[in-house]
Amino acid sequence: QSALTQPPSASGSPGQSVTISCTGTSSDVGGYNYVSWYQQHPGKAPKLMIYEVNKRPSGVPDRFSGSKSGNTASLTVSGLQAEDEADYYCSSYAGSNNLAFGGGTKVTVL
Amino acid sequence: EVQLVESGGGLVQPGGSLSLSCAVSGFTFSGDWMTWVRQAPGKGLEWVGNIKQDGIDKDYLDSVKGRFTISRDNAKNSLYLQMNSLRAEDTAVYYCARWIWGRLDSWGQGTLVTVSS
Repeated sequence: QSALTQPPSASGSPGQSVTISCTGTSSDVGGYNYVSWYQQHPGKAPKLMIYEVNKRPSGVPDRFSGSKSGNTASLTVSGLQAEDEADYYCSSYAGSNNLAFGGGTKVTVL
Repeated sequence: EVQLVESGGGLVQPGGSLSLSCAVSGFTFSGDWMTWVRQAPGKGLEWVGNIKQDGIDKDYLDSVKGRFTISRDNAKNSLYLQMNSLRAEDTAVYYCARWIWGRLDSWGQGTLVTVSS
């Protein structure tokens, strides 16, 4: 039950893109296509933004996209907007009905 | 509209017990796995455990095994988390969420548990 590794912070100007990485192992990120990304604004509950590596739930803007290569997954936010400033967490199925989360990345819109 | 509403949080002394509830509406509760996730103050998200639709199969974070018990009442559309032998490090906001194939697509607003003397 190890945590996934994310950079603590990332930033970009409005209209630019920012990419967040999420590194795990072959027992979680690399072993399953069940990687999700969550957005959390201060004092609010997390919100699902990406699931199964690159799928977007209904209502999530297509500015948000996900990918995976080996043991590392990535979330890209294109065309940054002020409301995108938030904490972002990755998660991955880790077998035996366990879920691993990343430590979170604070995205700042400059 | 899908809604999950947690309750039962509060202040408890180390070694004490607390029971959390999560009332669910807007989807067929009996058809889905459910999950508890916690977030210590200023920290990241941490998976606590899951419970299968039938309430029999359960999985837990190693550090809460033997102390926390997840249960559900499908007739009442409710999920529960019984927490015993609480420690300071269990202090967190506790969220209930619906688990679908490894993703948590609906979350409650959370309830704060503070373990302190």
